[in-house]
Formats: sequence, C-alpha cells, structure tokens
Amino acid sequence: NAGVTQTPKFQVLKTGQSMTLQCAQDMNHEYMSWYRQDPGMGLRLIHYSVGAGITDQGEVPNGYNVSRSTTEDFPLRLLSAAPSQTSVYFCASSYNHRQGYSYEQYFGPGTRLTVT
Amino acid sequence: AQSVTQLDSQVPVFEEAPVELRCNYSSSVSVYLFWYVQYPNQGLQLLLKYLSGSTLVESINGFEAEFNKSQTSFHLRKPSVHISDTAEYFCAVSPTNFGNEKLTFGTGTRLTIIP
Repeated sequence: NAGVTQTPKFQVLKTGQSMTLQCAQDMNHEYMSWYRQDPGMGLRLIHYSVGAGITDQGEVPNGYNVSRSTTEDFPLRLLSAAPSQTSVYFCASSYNHRQGYSYEQYFGPGTRLTVT
Repeated sequence: AQSVTQLDSQVPVFEEAPVELRCNYSSSVSVYLFWYVQYPNQGLQLLLKYLSGSTLVESINGFEAEFNKSQTSFHLRKPSVHISDTAEYFCAVSPTNFGNEKLTFGTGTRLTIIP
C-alpha cells in the first residue's frame, strides 16, 4: 500500500491564483480530512469527508473548497490564494464509524505552500 | 467544543535523561486522547492513544502517557530518551461519539535531544 499520497510537495503561488492540492489513499478509508499546520498553532481542520459525496467544514474552511467523488481522492481547492494561506497542508484518512474505527488517522507527507 | 493546551513549545533534554511533555485538555463531553509524533519533514504518526480501561498507555518505543480525568491531563513521559526521539509531539482529543474523527490538536512540543 502507498498509504496517503499528496501532490505537489512544494508550490509557490501568486496572490489571486487558484490551485488544487491532490490527496489520494489506497486503504479504502471512508473518512478523509485536510489540515493546515502553522508555527505555534498546531494543526487545524479545514474540511473533512465521512464518505464519497459527503463533505463538511472544519475549523478554518474559508478560502478552500473540497469535493469527494470517489473513496480514494479528496482534493483541496484554493479559489483565490492569499498570503495568509501560506502553510503546510496535510491530508489524513481513517476508517469511519460504519467501517469500525481504528482510532488512528494516517497522514500524508504534506504540501508546503507559499503565497507571495 | 474541545481545546488542548501544550504549555511547553520547546523541550531540550540530554540523551538518556527522562522527559515529560505536558498536555491538558478541556471538553464538555467525553473524549478520546491521542499523542501524535512528527519527525522532521514528515507527516504525523500515531504514537499512542487512550480510549478506555487502564489509564496508563504505552507505545512500542518506550513512551507512556497517563490519563488523569480529575486534572484533565494526558502527559507523555519517557524514562530515557534517545537521539532518534527528536521530533515534534502533538496531543489531540476527539469526542467519543466521533471516534478518531474531528481531532483537535494542541500547538505541539518540539523535543530536542542533546548528545
């Protein structure tokens, strides 16, 4: 298993540009989520999905969109990048309540995004 | 809503010395508790978790954490640290009715081992 994969690893955007961060998992996990990690603030939940076709907002959703058309993929879209979105983004996945919790989230390696 | 406080942002420790990383939480509902570790330039990995039962939980690499309900704490300890323990450690909680979903993380503690 490849686990949770994220692309790209690094990205530099100009203010106002849009882009999509890709996340995929091959563990048949129904629960997937996106976090951003900022110095001194830990990880904050952006959006999450409990299964294909179902998404919901986390703690800091503004400026981000998600969709979940398949179990495997959970892309994060930045609509109009701002310097405040400079951060490291992590995707994570796990079994959900219907699958039987494993009580562990599996994290991808992260995408480091800089917005100038 | 839940919140997690990790008061120590950085902890330097000499190799083979003991260490304690502190974690306190606040929640109006029952929670599960987790410690995740992030090695340099990597994603987070689960280190250990408390779900129920014995309040002392252990990891495979010698860390342990004790759930103290009255003090709402879940401190992480290791009796003798190694250079390879250099990493950032995150305490996290999740409401029990959400399993391990909807994690709320602390701000992290960077553990630096001094040779």
